[in-house]
Amino acid sequence: IAGITQAPTSQILAAGRRMTLRCTQDMRHNAMYWYRQDLGLGLRLIHYSNTAGTTGKGEVPDGYSVSRANTDDFPLTLASAVPSQTSVYFCASSEGQANNEQFFGPGTRLTVL
Amino acid sequence: GENVEQHPSTLSVQEGDSAVIKCTYSDSASNYFPWYKQELGKGPQLIIDIRSNVGEKKDQRIAVTLNKTAKHFSLHITETQPEDSAVYFCAASKQTGANNLFFGTGTRLTVIP
Repeated sequence: IAGITQAPTSQILAAGRRMTLRCTQDMRHNAMYWYRQDLGLGLRLIHYSNTAGTTGKGEVPDGYSVSRANTDDFPLTLASAVPSQTSVYFCASSEGQANNEQFFGPGTRLTVL
Repeated sequence: GENVEQHPSTLSVQEGDSAVIKCTYSDSASNYFPWYKQELGKGPQLIIDIRSNVGEKKDQRIAVTLNKTAKHFSLHITETQPEDSAVYFCAASKQTGANNLFFGTGTRLTVIP
């Protein structure tokens, strides 16, 4: 069982470029999330999806977009990357919406120059 | 929104000693408090959680206590082992349409053999 996979593992990107971070889960979880992790700030929620076809904004959504066309996939897109988006990005999923354990992927380390 | 503060940011203990990490939260409506362990290069993993209807929960060497009046909760690790070395995050959430976890800034625990 793979759980949650993320791709790429790491990426260096020029500012202004478009980038999509991929996330796939095989647990048939309804809810999925994207977090960014920055030193000294912990993890902050970017966007979430409670079920396929719906998405919502988290704490820090600006500059990011998501889609949830099916249960398994939840890609995160940076339309025009900026250096402040340099971070480690984690995708997570949970069985339900409220108060259920979130399972995290291995992360994508993104550097925007 | 919710504000979760976590202390200390770093903690070193001798193998076999106990470690305590403390968190406070601001939103009295929060009712779910998980703790995550993050090893180097990996995503966070849930180690224990507590809900607002209980004051303490224990799982082998790990325990969590919750004081809703004071709005703080703590992680206790007894008989620490080198494999306990990691970054630990507390989080808080309330039962709403989105399972938004608000994370603390993390504690880097080092267990010295």
